[in-house]
Amino acid sequence: SQTIHQWPATLVQPVGSPLSLECTVEGTSNPNLYWYRQAAGRGLQLLFYSVGIGQISSEVPQNLSASRPQDRQFILSSKKLLLSDSGFYLCALSVWDNEQFFGPGTRLTVL
Amino acid sequence: AQSVTQLDSQVPVFEEAPVELRCNYSSSVSVYLFWYVQYPNQGLQLLLKYLSGSTLVKGINGFEAEFNKSQTSFHLRKPSVHISDTAEYFCAVRGGTYKYIFGTGTRLKVLA
Repeated sequence: SQTIHQWPATLVQPVGSPLSLECTVEGTSNPNLYWYRQAAGRGLQLLFYSVGIGQISSEVPQNLSASRPQDRQFILSSKKLLLSDSGFYLCALSVWDNEQFFGPGTRLTVL
Repeated sequence: AQSVTQLDSQVPVFEEAPVELRCNYSSSVSVYLFWYVQYPNQGLQLLLKYLSGSTLVKGINGFEAEFNKSQTSFHLRKPSVHISDTAEYFCAVRGGTYKYIFGTGTRLKVLA
């Protein structure tokens, strides 16, 4: 079965600092990968999805970017964090376009 | 475009009482429908899914949902809730693309 690892689990960063969140997947090949953000008391906002290495689709224009350097690695980055970037970041995968499986999440606080 | 509406942001219910969490969707194509549960500071866990076939879907933890195409609904039900069911529940739809659309969630609070 699939396993999703997210690193780090929690992060506190100052405004204007860079960001790198990592998601790695085990137990599957060629998954579709997703980054979501969940702000306090709100639903899931799809940020990026990827159907293969180097293929990134952006859903929301913002100061975040994503990369997929390997089949089972998905990275979320920012050059300069904003206060509004605070939230709970979730990585997810899907295989054969059925259900999604979610990682444990990263809690980001921007001060 | 697809969308999902969860009509209730919060649902309080007493322990051992039945509960229904409502979900309505809109889509111009055939859809796959999902319910997920999220406990505090954790990722989402799949409760159940409808892909095709029987419109009554049974999931984990005693939950079930019924797909109603004419009413474009996929309501989640449990006949008797436990304290441990306190969590946030998300309805989601996928149709025709790689994207999954989530509702804004319903907080279920089970009272002793």
